[in-house]
Amino acid sequence: DIQMTQSPSSLSASVGDRVTITCRASQSISSSLNWYQQKPGKAPKLLIYAASSLQSGVPSRFSGSGSGTDFTLTISSLQPEDFATYYCQQSYSTLYTFGQGTKLEI
Amino acid sequence: QVQLHQWGAGLLKPSETLSLTCAVYGGSFSGYYWSWIRQPPGKGLEWIGDINHSGSTNYNPSLKSRITISVDTSKNQFSLKMSSVTAADTAVYYCARVVRGAKWYFDLWGRGTPVTVSS
Repeated sequence: DIQMTQSPSSLSASVGDRVTITCRASQSISSSLNWYQQKPGKAPKLLIYAASSLQSGVPSRFSGSGSGTDFTLTISSLQPEDFATYYCQQSYSTLYTFGQGTKLEI
Repeated sequence: QVQLHQWGAGLLKPSETLSLTCAVYGGSFSGYYWSWIRQPPGKGLEWIGDINHSGSTNYNPSLKSRITISVDTSKNQFSLKMSSVTAADTAVYYCARVVRGAKWYFDLWGRGTPVTVSS
């Protein structure tokens, strides 16, 4: 299995802050990396696919970068609705695996 | 607008079989793979398996011996059966659409079905 490790596990920030979340794969996964946002009691929502492509309807303050084993999700200016848990997920292998999540808190 | 509507029994006893179904409304069924993903309480996401309209399946090896994913193209539905459940199978179960183009990702999700296994 390809292991996905996110850091940090939790993060405190304020509205207007620039925030970066990191995801590391246990082997090279090219750009086969997706990011999801999950709010309490809700299903995950796709934000970024293929490492850096913004899903339709997602605000442009979200961006992704990286390739190989190291990836980042950046929120350029935090909004109140961005406080949630974020997951990375690799699709290089058909045994899809997720990171453990990063909880973004006020 | 494509929607995924899922349902199934929410309370099971140990050793029983979990059965969930997800219906796809408002869009193409044949152009995608369809997946099941679960999330234990307070924990992260685990991919269970997926299927396409032809019935071609992929399963998580850690669950493969206990799961069957099937499809009913006449109803645009797919289903999950998991046998011999234990408390460790307690989770919210999501169905999701898998885009498999140049890159693969889960772009649409159902609302989730909470499943509790308890004696």
